[in-house]
Amino acid sequence: ETMMTQSPATLSVSPGERVTLSCRASQSVSINLAWYQQKPGQVPRLLIYGASTRATGIPARFSGSGSGTDFTLTISSLQSEDFAVYYCQQYNNWPRGFTFGPGTKVDIK
Amino acid sequence: EVQLLASGGGLVQPGGSLRLSCAASGFTFGNYAMSWVRQAPGKGLEWVSTIVGSGGSTYYADSVKGRFTISRDNSKNTLHLEMHSLTAADTALYFCAKDLTIAAAPISDWGQGMLVTVSS
Repeated sequence: ETMMTQSPATLSVSPGERVTLSCRASQSVSINLAWYQQKPGQVPRLLIYGASTRATGIPARFSGSGSGTDFTLTISSLQSEDFAVYYCQQYNNWPRGFTFGPGTKVDIK
Repeated sequence: EVQLLASGGGLVQPGGSLRLSCAASGFTFGNYAMSWVRQAPGKGLEWVSTIVGSGGSTYYADSVKGRFTISRDNSKNTLHLEMHSLTAADTALYFCAKDLTIAAAPISDWGQGMLVTVSS
């Protein structure tokens, strides 16, 4: 099973700052990597798939990069509505599984 | 608009069984893989199972393999999850989810979730 790790676990940021979140896979997942955002009390929302393709309706301030085992989600200028938990998920390792990372919480500094 | 309405959750005793269902609308159901993802209280997301659009292939997390069965009825636009030998570790909010494509893929749409509590 491919294990996913995310760093940092928590990030305290001021609005307007640039944010970089990391996700690492225990083995190569090619570019089969997605990012989700989950706000308290809400369902997750797909942000990025294919490591770098923005999902429908996702603002351009969100971007993804990476391939193989190391991936990054960047928020170019954090808005108030972006405070949330961000999860990465690999979908390369089927039929063994499509594991999520543990998440990174982005909160207000 | 994609709508995913789950039902069948609730309180069950350890060792018991439960069947979750998800009624889908707003898209051509058979053209998309469907998944179940769960989230224990205060915890992160855990992928549980996926079934491709035709129903011909299914995938399970190691934690549920042999205990859970995913199925779909494309004529009724319905997804199911049969759960057996439940333990406290299965207590979670279970999300019915639509994948991005007909094959296993990232999740594009999520239902509101159905709480399953395993307790005596």
